[in-house]
Amino acid sequence: GQNIDQPTEMTATEGAIVQINCTYQTSGFNGLFWYQQHAGEAPTFLSYNVLDGLEEKGRFSSFLSRSKGYSYLLLKELQMKDSASYLCAVTDSNYQLIWGAGTKLIIKP
Amino acid sequence: NAGVTQTPKFRILKIGQSMTLQCTQDMNHNYMYWYRQDPGMGLKLIYYSVGAGITDKGEVPNGYNVSRSTTEDFPLRLELAAPSQTSVYFCASSSDSYNEQFFGPGTRLTVL
Repeated sequence: GQNIDQPTEMTATEGAIVQINCTYQTSGFNGLFWYQQHAGEAPTFLSYNVLDGLEEKGRFSSFLSRSKGYSYLLLKELQMKDSASYLCAVTDSNYQLIWGAGTKLIIKP
Repeated sequence: NAGVTQTPKFRILKIGQSMTLQCTQDMNHNYMYWYRQDPGMGLKLIYYSVGAGITDKGEVPNGYNVSRSTTEDFPLRLELAAPSQTSVYFCASSSDSYNEQFFGPGTRLTVL
């Protein structure tokens, strides 16, 4: 079966750095997405990785290792507005997105 | 450019009633999707479409139907609503299957 695992919840301090991990087992791989979802709102796109390595975009970076079926999202200089759920999603061999349950990130002052 | 719009925002249905959730996008995207999201869970794909006139089942299609008569519109039909269909429904679109998806604001549906 297809499976994406993320921690259910994480807590971090304002100004700090946090890493959210995602492991996946899917039928094929055509890319991995990270989305941010604030409570009661729709998901919004953060990053896309299809090749191994690190993609940096401002305070957010995303890493992919296809051989390990592993990705992480790194958030630096945390702000209170970063409190949200972070969803990992993998495009499988049929080009369908398989979604993880999301990681709820709580930022404390 | 409104992006992806959905109506209604909220709805309460009685068991056995039917309704249509509307979704429209103005980005000329070929791909459109319907997801449901239950509390604390990830998104589950209900149906998707790769272009006008073409639809296909996703992971959880039972109890739902869709149509795609135009590029812009992708309505989701619930027939004989059941409590298990209580959820938040998101419509999304993308220019291609490997590009980011843009989401509508969601419809919060309760079936009592």
